Amino acid sequence: DIQMTQSPSSLSASVGDRVTITCRASQSISSYLNWYQQKPGKAPKLLIYAASSLQSGVPSRFSGSGSGTDFTLTISSLQPEDFVIYYCQQSYSTPWTFGQGTKVEIK
Amino acid sequence: QVQLQESGPGLVKPSETLSLTCSVSGDSIGNYYWSWIRQPPGKGLEWIGYINYSGSTNYNPSLKSRVTISVDTSKNQFSLKLSSVTAADTAVYYCARPSYYYDSRGYYIYYFDYWGQGTLVTVSS
Repeated sequence: DIQMTQSPSSLSASVGDRVTITCRASQSISSYLNWYQQKPGKAPKLLIYAASSLQSGVPSRFSGSGSGTDFTLTISSLQPEDFVIYYCQQSYSTPWTFGQGTKVEIK
Repeated sequence: QVQLQESGPGLVKPSETLSLTCSVSGDSIGNYYWSWIRQPPGKGLEWIGYINYSGSTNYNPSLKSRVTISVDTSKNQFSLKLSSVTAADTAVYYCARPSYYYDSRGYYIYYFDYWGQGTLVTVSS
C-alpha cells in the first residue's frame, strides 16, 4: 500500500494568513493526488484533483502543487470557514489511501 | 445534481453482517464506478472498495475477505456487506462517486467528487 503522510498534523493560524499543508507519498504517484476538506459532522468535499486542478465551485484561494512524492495544498488567505480538517488522497494504485489529516485551528 | 444517500441499520451485533445501501439520484449508476469509504469516530478515512455497473469490483486487501459490494442498476443503487464485524468496524460509512480526469498522458486520475452524507454504524451487543 502507498502510505500518505501529511504535515503538520495540526496548525494554528489567523484569518487572512497564508497556509501550506504538505502531503508526502511513500513512492512516486505522479499527479494522482487529490485534496479534500472536511467540516465537523459532514462528508469530505473535493477541493483539488490531479494535484493542481481546482474543483468547480471551490474558491480560488485554494491551490495545489507537486508531483512524484511531494505535494502541497495552499490556502492564500484563510477565511473563518476554512478552520477545519484537510486530507490528501492518492489514486495512483489501489488500495486508494488517504493522509491522516491536517487540522487547521484558529490562533 | 448528483445525490447519494446511504441507508441501513445503525446498530449491528458483533460477528454479524453490516449491510448498507447507497441510492443514487441525478445520474445513471451505469456511467461511473461507485465506492464505499469509512471513517471511525475521530479518525481518518479508509477506502473500502468500488464497483462498476457491470459488477466489476476492487476491494481494499485489508477488508477483502469480509467485503462484498454489489450493484442494482434497475434501482440505481449499490450496496455494501461487511461480515464478521467487530467493534473496530464502528465508523461513519460513506458512499461516494469516483469520477476521473483524463490527463495528457492518457491516464485516468480518479477522485471522489460526490459523497453521501454518511451513516454511523455502531457494532455493539
